[in-house]
Amino acid sequence: AQKVTQAQTEISVVEKEDVTLDCVYETRDTTYYLFWYKQPPSGELVFLIRRNSFDEQNEISGRYSWNFQKSTSSFNFTITASQVVDSAVYFCALRSSNTGNQFYFGTGTSLTVIP
Amino acid sequence: GAGVSQTPSNKVTEKGKYVELRCDPISGHTALYWYRQSLGQGPEFLIYFQGTGAADDSGLPNDRFFAVRPEGSVSTLKIQRTERGDSAVYLCASSLGLAGDTQYFGPGTRLTVL
Repeated sequence: AQKVTQAQTEISVVEKEDVTLDCVYETRDTTYYLFWYKQPPSGELVFLIRRNSFDEQNEISGRYSWNFQKSTSSFNFTITASQVVDSAVYFCALRSSNTGNQFYFGTGTSLTVIP
Repeated sequence: GAGVSQTPSNKVTEKGKYVELRCDPISGHTALYWYRQSLGQGPEFLIYFQGTGAADDSGLPNDRFFAVRPEGSVSTLKIQRTERGDSAVYLCASSLGLAGDTQYFGPGTRLTVL
Protein backbone atom coordinates (compact mmCIF):
# COMPACT_ATOMS: atom_id res chain seq x y z
CA ALA A 1 0.00 0.00 0.00
CA GLN A 2 1.08 3.53 -0.70
CA LYS A 3 0.67 6.11 2.00
CA VAL A 4 1.95 9.54 2.93
CA THR A 5 1.73 10.90 6.45
CA GLN A 6 2.10 14.54 7.36
CA ALA A 7 1.66 14.48 11.10
CA GLN A 8 1.78 18.25 11.53
CA THR A 9 -1.64 19.64 10.74
CA GLU A 10 -0.87 23.28 11.50
CA ILE A 11 2.31 25.18 12.26
CA SER A 12 2.76 28.82 13.16
CA VAL A 13 6.11 30.57 13.18
CA VAL A 14 7.26 34.12 13.48
CA GLU A 15 8.80 35.66 10.41
CA LYS A 16 12.50 34.87 9.93
CA GLU A 17 12.31 31.67 11.94
CA ASP A 18 13.26 28.38 10.33
CA VAL A 19 10.57 25.71 10.05
CA THR A 20 10.64 22.04 9.07
CA LEU A 21 7.65 20.24 7.61
CA ASP A 22 7.70 16.49 8.10
CA CYS A 23 6.71 13.84 5.57
CA VAL A 24 6.80 10.09 6.11
CA TYR A 25 5.88 7.72 3.32
CA GLU A 26 5.11 4.04 2.92
CA THR A 27 5.67 1.95 -0.16
CA ARG A 28 6.90 -1.53 -0.97
CA ASP A 29 8.26 -0.48 -4.31
CA THR A 30 11.93 0.12 -4.92
CA THR A 31 11.32 2.74 -7.58
CA TYR A 32 9.21 5.67 -6.51
CA TYR A 33 9.07 9.44 -6.64
CA LEU A 34 8.44 12.00 -3.94
CA PHE A 35 7.09 15.50 -4.42
CA TRP A 36 6.31 18.63 -2.47
CA TYR A 37 3.60 21.05 -3.54
CA LYS A 38 2.58 24.40 -2.10
CA GLN A 39 -1.07 25.42 -2.05
CA PRO A 40 -1.45 29.14 -1.27
CA PRO A 41 -4.84 30.63 -0.35
CA SER A 42 -5.58 31.06 -4.06
CA GLY A 43 -5.89 27.28 -4.20
CA GLU A 44 -3.59 26.31 -7.04
CA LEU A 45 -1.06 23.60 -6.27
CA VAL A 46 2.43 24.80 -7.09
CA PHE A 47 5.16 22.25 -7.74
CA LEU A 48 8.25 22.65 -5.55
CA ILE A 49 10.42 19.58 -5.92
CA ARG A 50 10.60 16.04 -7.28
CA ARG A 51 12.90 13.33 -5.98
CA ASN A 52 13.35 9.75 -7.18
CA SER A 53 14.10 6.89 -4.84
CA PHE A 54 17.62 6.40 -6.14
CA ASP A 55 18.76 9.91 -5.39
CA GLU A 56 19.18 10.58 -1.69
CA GLN A 57 21.14 13.76 -2.09
CA ASN A 58 19.69 16.61 -0.15
CA GLU A 59 18.71 19.61 -2.17
CA ILE A 60 18.74 23.32 -1.52
CA SER A 61 16.92 25.92 -3.54
CA GLY A 62 17.21 29.38 -2.09
CA ARG A 63 15.54 29.35 1.33
CA TYR A 64 14.10 25.87 0.71
CA SER A 65 15.87 22.61 1.45
CA TRP A 66 14.82 19.00 1.43
CA ASN A 67 16.18 16.08 3.43
CA PHE A 68 15.45 12.67 1.91
CA GLN A 69 16.28 9.67 4.13
CA LYS A 70 15.29 6.24 2.88
CA SER A 71 16.31 4.65 6.18
CA THR A 72 13.47 6.44 7.92
CA SER A 73 11.18 6.78 4.87
CA SER A 74 11.13 10.51 5.32
CA PHE A 75 11.28 13.46 2.97
CA ASN A 76 11.29 16.57 5.13
CA PHE A 77 11.11 20.13 3.93
CA THR A 78 12.80 23.06 5.64
CA ILE A 79 12.16 26.74 5.03
CA THR A 80 14.93 28.97 6.28
CA ALA A 81 14.22 32.54 7.38
CA SER A 82 10.49 32.17 6.76
CA GLN A 83 8.50 34.97 5.18
CA VAL A 84 4.82 35.86 5.26
CA VAL A 85 4.54 34.78 1.61
CA ASP A 86 5.44 31.26 2.70
CA SER A 87 2.07 30.97 4.42
CA ALA A 88 0.24 28.16 2.64
CA VAL A 89 -0.70 24.52 2.88
CA TYR A 90 2.15 22.23 1.90
CA PHE A 91 1.55 18.75 0.54
CA CYS A 92 3.93 15.85 0.26
CA ALA A 93 3.08 13.27 -2.40
CA LEU A 94 4.27 9.82 -3.43
CA ARG A 95 4.17 8.29 -6.87
CA SER A 96 5.19 4.68 -7.29
CA SER A 97 6.28 3.00 -10.48
CA ASN A 98 3.95 0.09 -9.77
CA THR A 99 0.76 2.00 -9.13
CA GLY A 100 0.41 3.76 -12.43
CA ASN A 101 0.60 7.46 -12.47
CA GLN A 102 -1.55 8.57 -9.62
CA PHE A 103 -0.19 10.57 -6.74
CA TYR A 104 -0.83 9.72 -3.13
CA PHE A 105 -1.01 12.92 -1.17
CA GLY A 106 -0.63 13.53 2.51
CA THR A 107 -3.25 15.55 4.33
CA GLY A 108 -1.08 18.64 4.20
CA THR A 109 0.51 20.97 6.73
CA SER A 110 -0.89 24.44 7.06
CA LEU A 111 1.92 26.91 7.68
CA THR A 112 1.24 30.39 8.98
CA VAL A 113 4.10 32.86 9.12
CA ILE A 114 3.35 35.69 11.50
CA PRO A 115 4.90 39.06 10.68
CA GLY B 1 3.56 29.36 -21.47
CA ALA B 2 -0.01 28.66 -20.49
CA GLY B 3 -0.62 26.37 -17.57
CA VAL B 4 -3.50 24.02 -16.93
CA SER B 5 -6.82 25.82 -17.08
CA GLN B 6 -10.13 24.74 -15.65
CA THR B 7 -13.63 26.02 -16.15
CA PRO B 8 -15.77 27.05 -14.46
CA SER B 9 -13.87 28.22 -11.42
CA ASN B 10 -17.02 27.87 -9.34
CA LYS B 11 -20.13 25.84 -9.91
CA VAL B 12 -23.20 25.81 -7.71
CA THR B 13 -25.88 23.27 -8.52
CA GLU B 14 -28.83 21.60 -6.92
CA LYS B 15 -28.95 18.04 -5.71
CA GLY B 16 -29.85 15.69 -8.51
CA LYS B 17 -28.57 17.89 -11.33
CA TYR B 18 -25.93 17.03 -13.93
CA VAL B 19 -22.64 18.97 -14.13
CA GLU B 20 -19.67 19.10 -16.44
CA LEU B 21 -16.25 20.34 -15.45
CA ARG B 22 -13.67 21.16 -18.07
CA CYS B 23 -9.89 20.89 -18.07
CA ASP B 24 -7.48 22.22 -20.67
CA PRO B 25 -4.01 20.74 -20.11
CA ILE B 26 -0.62 22.18 -20.88
CA SER B 27 0.07 21.94 -24.59
CA GLY B 28 2.05 18.81 -25.43
CA HIS B 29 1.15 16.98 -22.24
CA THR B 30 -0.22 13.56 -23.12
CA ALA B 31 -1.21 12.59 -19.58
CA LEU B 32 -4.14 14.17 -17.77
CA TYR B 33 -5.41 13.52 -14.25
CA TRP B 34 -8.47 14.40 -12.23
CA TYR B 35 -8.40 14.71 -8.45
CA ARG B 36 -10.94 15.72 -5.85
CA GLN B 37 -9.99 17.73 -2.80
CA SER B 38 -12.27 18.03 0.18
CA LEU B 39 -11.78 20.68 2.83
CA GLY B 40 -8.73 20.01 4.96
CA GLN B 41 -7.64 17.03 2.90
CA GLY B 42 -5.08 16.30 0.26
CA PRO B 43 -6.13 15.73 -3.33
CA GLU B 44 -7.65 12.32 -3.96
CA PHE B 45 -7.07 10.58 -7.29
CA LEU B 46 -10.07 10.02 -9.55
CA ILE B 47 -8.93 9.12 -13.06
CA TYR B 48 -5.91 9.25 -15.35
CA PHE B 49 -5.81 9.58 -19.14
CA GLN B 50 -2.93 8.74 -21.40
CA GLY B 51 -3.91 10.24 -24.71
CA THR B 52 -7.59 9.66 -25.38
CA GLY B 53 -8.01 6.58 -23.24
CA ALA B 54 -8.64 6.28 -19.53
CA ALA B 55 -5.60 4.35 -18.34
CA ASP B 56 -6.75 4.19 -14.74
CA ASP B 57 -10.23 5.07 -13.47
CA SER B 58 -9.92 3.25 -10.18
CA GLY B 59 -10.49 6.41 -8.17
CA LEU B 60 -13.94 7.23 -9.52
CA PRO B 61 -16.23 6.82 -6.51
CA ASN B 62 -19.23 5.39 -8.37
CA ASP B 63 -20.91 5.21 -11.74
CA ARG B 64 -22.31 8.73 -11.43
CA PHE B 65 -18.83 9.97 -12.28
CA PHE B 66 -17.48 9.78 -15.79
CA ALA B 67 -14.72 11.53 -17.71
CA VAL B 68 -13.79 11.82 -21.37
CA ARG B 69 -10.91 13.13 -23.40
CA PRO B 70 -12.02 12.54 -26.99
CA GLU B 71 -9.16 14.23 -28.81
CA GLY B 72 -6.39 13.67 -26.31
CA SER B 73 -6.33 17.25 -25.13
CA VAL B 74 -9.29 18.83 -23.32
CA SER B 75 -11.04 16.63 -20.79
CA THR B 76 -14.50 16.84 -19.26
CA LEU B 77 -15.46 15.36 -15.92
CA LYS B 78 -19.16 14.60 -15.80
CA ILE B 79 -21.17 14.03 -12.66
CA GLN B 80 -24.73 12.77 -12.88
CA ARG B 81 -27.41 13.09 -10.22
CA THR B 82 -25.18 15.18 -8.01
CA GLU B 83 -25.27 14.69 -4.27
CA ARG B 84 -24.29 17.05 -1.47
CA GLY B 85 -21.32 14.82 -0.73
CA ASP B 86 -19.93 15.61 -4.18
CA SER B 87 -19.17 19.15 -3.02
CA ALA B 88 -15.41 19.63 -3.24
CA VAL B 89 -12.71 21.23 -5.33
CA TYR B 90 -12.03 19.24 -8.47
CA LEU B 91 -8.46 19.53 -9.62
CA CYS B 92 -7.01 18.70 -12.98
CA ALA B 93 -3.33 18.06 -13.64
CA SER B 94 -1.28 17.24 -16.70
CA SER B 95 2.16 15.84 -17.36
CA LEU B 96 4.37 14.69 -20.19
CA GLY B 97 3.33 11.11 -19.59
CA LEU B 98 6.75 9.81 -18.66
CA ALA B 99 7.46 7.53 -15.73
CA GLY B 100 7.53 9.48 -12.50
CA ASP B 101 7.17 12.83 -14.16
CA THR B 102 5.83 15.93 -12.45
CA GLN B 103 2.15 16.74 -12.58
CA TYR B 104 1.18 20.37 -13.00
CA PHE B 105 -2.12 21.39 -11.52
CA GLY B 106 -4.84 23.76 -12.59
CA PRO B 107 -6.62 26.18 -10.26
CA GLY B 108 -9.51 23.79 -9.72
CA THR B 109 -13.29 24.01 -9.94
CA ARG B 110 -15.13 24.49 -6.68
CA LEU B 111 -18.35 22.50 -6.89
CA THR B 112 -21.10 23.16 -4.41
CA VAL B 113 -24.17 20.95 -4.40
CA LEU B 114 -27.06 22.48 -2.50
